[in-house]
Amino acid sequence: GQQVMQIPQYQHVQEGEDFTTYCNSSTTLSNIQWYKQRPGGHPVFLIQLVKSGEVKKQKRLTFQFGEAKKNSSLHITATQTTDVGTYFCAGRQGGQNFVFGPGTRLSVLP
Amino acid sequence: SAVISQKPSRDICQRGTSLTIQCQVDSQVTMMFWYRQQPGQSLTLIATANQGSEATYESGFVIDKFPISRPNLTFSTLTVSNMSPEDSSIYLCSAGTGGGYEQYFGPGTRLTVT
Repeated sequence: GQQVMQIPQYQHVQEGEDFTTYCNSSTTLSNIQWYKQRPGGHPVFLIQLVKSGEVKKQKRLTFQFGEAKKNSSLHITATQTTDVGTYFCAGRQGGQNFVFGPGTRLSVLP
Repeated sequence: SAVISQKPSRDICQRGTSLTIQCQVDSQVTMMFWYRQQPGQSLTLIATANQGSEATYESGFVIDKFPISRPNLTFSTLTVSNMSPEDSSIYLCSAGTGGGYEQYFGPGTRLTVT
């Protein structure tokens, strides 16, 4: 079945440093979504990528969808303490439901 | 977007009993989903709640254990039946909107089975 992996599992950064998390699928995806979950909170939708090679930006966050539509990345520039949380990618193959990756837990040291 | 509410927010239940979790959306949505999330873990899809028909369950989840209702486009319930300590988890409902079904999650129900 479809599998979605993420690396790294954990990342500790100093405030102001950049952060990147990578998402890899065993199969070609029709689209991919990214969610953020703060400690004690619920997942919050960030963005959806659909096109091969697509790049989208939200302020300090940059999202990429690979050319082969099997991988994606989320890059945060100059992290802030408000960026703390777990970032999940969720991939969808065809008309199937989304499969969530295991997440990357980000901690930001002030 | 959509705003999702869930009841109860948490509960402690005895082994062998059942708990029904309610999920209310502030607008009509096509898709509603139920997930389970262990603390510090990812989300596991239990089922898709279909309006007016039986829910579609993922591998490893069965209707007898997790009966789901969806009487209309804004409401769904998930029942956790004959509970055991292994059912202790956070249960989340979500509503899918947009063509790609961006999901908006409820605050979750933290269930502890003793």
